Amino acid sequence: AQTVTQSQPEMSVQEAETVTLSCTYDTSESDYYLFWYKQPPSRQMILVIRQEAYKQQNATENRFSVNFQKAAKSFSLKISDSQLGDAAMYFCAYRSFVSGTYKYIFGTGTRLKVLA
Amino acid sequence: DADVTQTPRNRITKTGKRIMLECSQTKGHDRMYWYRQDPGLGLRLIYYSFDVKDINKGEISDGYSVSRQAQAKFSLSLESAIPNQTALYFCATSGRGGTDTQYFGPGTRLTVL
Repeated sequence: AQTVTQSQPEMSVQEAETVTLSCTYDTSESDYYLFWYKQPPSRQMILVIRQEAYKQQNATENRFSVNFQKAAKSFSLKISDSQLGDAAMYFCAYRSFVSGTYKYIFGTGTRLKVLA
Repeated sequence: DADVTQTPRNRITKTGKRIMLECSQTKGHDRMYWYRQDPGLGLRLIYYSFDVKDINKGEISDGYSVSRQAQAKFSLSLESAIPNQTALYFCATSGRGGTDTQYFGPGTRLTVL
C-alpha cells in the first residue's frame, strides 16, 4: 500500500531564511503525482506546488521549490526568504490512478513556525 | 465569491442523529471529493465522484454515504453519528484528468457529543 511520511511534526525558521520540509513516500507505481499543500490557521487547504513523477526537473513556484528524488522516493519542499505569512501546516500528498483505483494520500503534516 | 463552499461551517450534534454536510462548487469541475481531517492523521479520503453517475468509496467510507445531486453539488451524510466521527471535513474538486490538483472548501467542523 502507498504511504506518505512527514517525519518532522514541527519546524521553525527565522524570517528571510530558508527552510526545507521533508517528505518520503512508498509506492510500486511508476505514474503518479506529488503535491505540497499549505493549511494556514484559517484551515483553508491551498496548493503550494506539484510535481509529475515522469518529469525529472524539479518544480518551482516563486520562493517554493522541491527536491524530487524518485529513486529514493523523497519529495522535500524548500521555502526561500521565509515570510511570516508562510507560517502554517504543510502537507505532502501523493496521487495515483492505476487500474481503476484512485488514491490521494496525505502525510500527517509539518507545522512551520516563522520567527520574526 | 468562493469557488468551493461548504455548509454548515460548524455543527454540534448528538450521537445517533443524522447529519448532512453539503458542498457546492462553481469551478465547473467534474470531480468531487470528501475528506476528513483528524489531528495527527492528516486528511483521509472518504468518498469521491468523477461525475454525476460515478461514486466510489475511499479509504474510510464506513459510516458515511454520499449523494451527487448535480455536477456542482456533492453531499456527505452520517446516517447515525457517533463521537469518533468528530473531525474537520473537507470537500474538494478537481478537473478531469491532468495533474488532478484539488481545490478545497473551507471545511466543516463537526462535533458529535
